Amino acid sequence: GQQLNQSPQSMFIQEGEDVSMNCTSSSIFNTWLWYKQDPGEGPVLLIALYKAGELTSNGRLTAQFGITRKDSFLNISASIPSDVGIYFCAGQNSGGSNYKLTFGKGTLLTVNP
Amino acid sequence: NAGVMQNPRHLVRRRGQEARLRCSPMKGHSHVYWYRQLPEEGLKFMVYLQKENIIDESGMPKERFSAEFPKEGPSILRIQQVVRGDSAAYFCASSPLAGGPNEQFFGPGTRLTVL
Repeated sequence: GQQLNQSPQSMFIQEGEDVSMNCTSSSIFNTWLWYKQDPGEGPVLLIALYKAGELTSNGRLTAQFGITRKDSFLNISASIPSDVGIYFCAGQNSGGSNYKLTFGKGTLLTVNP
Repeated sequence: NAGVMQNPRHLVRRRGQEARLRCSPMKGHSHVYWYRQLPEEGLKFMVYLQKENIIDESGMPKERFSAEFPKEGPSILRIQQVVRGDSAAYFCASSPLAGGPNEQFFGPGTRLTVL
């Protein structure tokens, strides 16, 4: 089956720094999504990408859909303490009746005030 | 507009008992997905349902697990004769009726602990 490699596994940064994390896949996806999960909660959708090469921003977050359709990255600029959490990438191949998401293992972000 | 609701938030069962997890999708959403998350892992797809139909159950164990999404009421994930390995967080997501790529919105999850 499809596998996603997400890196880094964890990051410890100072408030105000920029952060970058990425996901690579063994096969093609036609949609990439980035989620954030706080402890004890469900994942919250941050950004959705639908086209190869697409670059999308949501406030201080920017994500890109790789041109090969096998990778995506997420950047967070000027990090703040509430950015702490686990960030997951997820790939989707919609079509027919199958819309399941394949998730990476997550990047744990810690922000030191 | 309320988000995806799941209950209970926490469930403790002894080995051999049954666990029933409920999910009410967002208003207007007719697609429901169940995922399982083990500690320090990403979410793993289990099953995809539309009203009264199971569309894809390729991620669900063949034995002891079942899911339904009746015409009225919430979607139910049922685990019979639970074992310790079933301990995990179970998340439900929903999406609106759509013909193309769609975004899935997650509930807060049910944390199942099997003693």
